[in-house]
This record gives sequence, structure tokens and C-alpha cells, in this order.
Amino acid sequence: DSGVTQTPKHLITATGQRVTLRCSPRSGDLSVYWYQQSLDQGLQFLIQYYNGEERAKGNILERFSAQQFPDLHSELNLSSLELGDSALYFCASNSQGAYNSPLHFGNGTRLTVT
Amino acid sequence: DAKTTQPNSMESNEEEPVHLPCNHSTISGTDYIHWYRQLPSQGPEYVIHGLTSNVNNRMASLAIAEDRKSSTLILHRATLRDAAVYYCFPSGGSQGNLIFGKGTKLSVKP
Repeated sequence: DSGVTQTPKHLITATGQRVTLRCSPRSGDLSVYWYQQSLDQGLQFLIQYYNGEERAKGNILERFSAQQFPDLHSELNLSSLELGDSALYFCASNSQGAYNSPLHFGNGTRLTVT
Repeated sequence: DAKTTQPNSMESNEEEPVHLPCNHSTISGTDYIHWYRQLPSQGPEYVIHGLTSNVNNRMASLAIAEDRKSSTLILHRATLRDAAVYYCFPSGGSQGNLIFGKGTKLSVKP
């Protein structure tokens, strides 16, 4: 058990809809990362937060947004959903947001857009 | 960004050692070399990381070439549970984000 909790485990929704994915980092970790994994793209880095502030941005679409709250949990919001957004979404955390510090991953949220 | 190259797939027999190679020829001097693995239906799992010297932990050993342009993850005795996709990438000082590639899919035969 990595200590990172993601909810929900599964989500099925229709095109055009909006969903929110939630992540609770490992106790004591200040930094949260979001990744998207689809069959043809592998693991794609989306965005990183450190102690409530955005630290780095990857291949995140404008339809997607995220935030990290004062209690350090994070939410990833996906809107105007398209079929191609169907994927596994992983959250990871590490203690100080340092890039030489190991990441601890949750078990992901599987999003299916129909 | 530093580019990494890993074989798409490898096979091993149970209880034999496995050497998983990774090339990262454009690594910068301050980047650490990270290895993660992803078992089916799970999130990636940290395996090991190192800077210059070889590293050992309970899961694996990491051998880093002297010029740091390549590394090898060594599983001393493969088990069926080691069947996974193994990702290698440099990250740290100049690399910024922890960028995963496609990885190597390791199959372990009984």
C-alpha cells in the first residue's frame, strides 16, 4: 500500500460531461502529481502541485484543470469530455516535490467516456 | 529533455537473474536515474534510483555505467510477481518533471 488514495476507482460518463477525480497524498507528502495513461500513449505527465501551488505543467489539455487544497488533497477536473479522454488517471506524491525523490502512486481512476 | 531507450519487451525464466538495460545518453550531470515498475492493473511502483554509484535495495540492484549514459536494473532471482512493465528515466537537477517512457515489458516464465 503506497498510502496514496484515489477516488473513485471507476467512472463512466458521457461525452461533453465534466468529472472530478480526487487524490489524497501519502501522509506528510507536500507534492502531488497527476498522470494520464492510455493504451497508445503510455504514462503522460499532466501537472504537479507543491503545497498548494502549481509547480510544473506537462501535456495537460485546456479542458483539464487541477488544484491542491490546504489539507494537501488534490482534484483533477476534466470537462467537455471526449471519447479520447478515456484512460487511467494516476495521482502520485512525494515529500518535497524534488525530482530526485521517489514518487508514490495511487491505484488510479479508470475513466470511461461513452 | 533527456531521451531514454529501453527494449520493448524481455523474457526471463523464474528464479534466474534478469538484466534490464536502459540508455540515457543525454543525461545531465545532476540527474538521477530512476526505475519504476508497473504490475498489471496497478499504479507504478518505485524500484530504485541512483546518481553515480551502483545501488542496492531489497527489490533490485542498479548498475550505472561510468559515463552515466546507460544503466542496468538487475533482478537477482526473477519471480512470477516480477512480471511488469519497467520504466527507466533520468530526472533531477535539469530534468524537471518525472517523465516516463514506454518501458520494457518483462515476462517471467515458470
